[in-house]
Amino acid sequence: QKEVEQDPGPLSVPEGAIVSLNCTYSNSAFQYFMWYRQYSRKGPELLMYTYSSGNKEDGRFTAQVDKSSKYISLFIRDSQPSDSATYLCAMKGTNAGKSTFGDGTTLTVKP
Amino acid sequence: DGGITQSPKYLFRKEGQNVTLSCEQNLNHDAMYWYRQDPGQGLRLIYYSQIVNDFQKGDIAEGYSVSREKKESFPLTVTSAQKNPTAFYLCASSGQGAREKLFFGSGTQLSVL
Repeated sequence: QKEVEQDPGPLSVPEGAIVSLNCTYSNSAFQYFMWYRQYSRKGPELLMYTYSSGNKEDGRFTAQVDKSSKYISLFIRDSQPSDSATYLCAMKGTNAGKSTFGDGTTLTVKP
Repeated sequence: DGGITQSPKYLFRKEGQNVTLSCEQNLNHDAMYWYRQDPGQGLRLIYYSQIVNDFQKGDIAEGYSVSREKKESFPLTVTSAQKNPTAFYLCASSGQGAREKLFFGSGTQLSVL
């Protein structure tokens, strides 16, 4: 079983919809949680970074972490065609070093 | 303009050939990483280095080699022992410490002729 499981998608929504992207994890040592956006054949871009349970908001994006359930989410409000990309969750423990990634969810926002 | 530069953008390998992917960063980061990405799959760690002249194997190191002679450079060699090298390769870097954020280059697509 993988340490990080991400809802596989693909996901297709109309412009303006609220999007929910989700990951679960099994390793209770994970303390830092990230969401990356990756356009086709480009490097991932860091969108959100959190290290505690609760919500963190940045513009149209909200990252939610529930450590008790080992569950993280990314919400996108008022989705735009430019949000069409693959979204990767990632997490790591308190030891410096490697992050563990989900397999990614591909989102298409249709005009 | 700080960032991570990967070259080339596209690379083709012939049977039995070793090829080297370049990664340079000017972010003054101590740690550097190489990930492999296959279609529909997440990122898998090949090698990482937290300090000059030291590196550790990741989850899929077989058929790959690295060096870290300078802080800003972390080249990856895909050897002939790697039988399925076709993939998108991503270099990343971060500061020292678990809280440091991970930043990526733009990637190299390697294909077999």
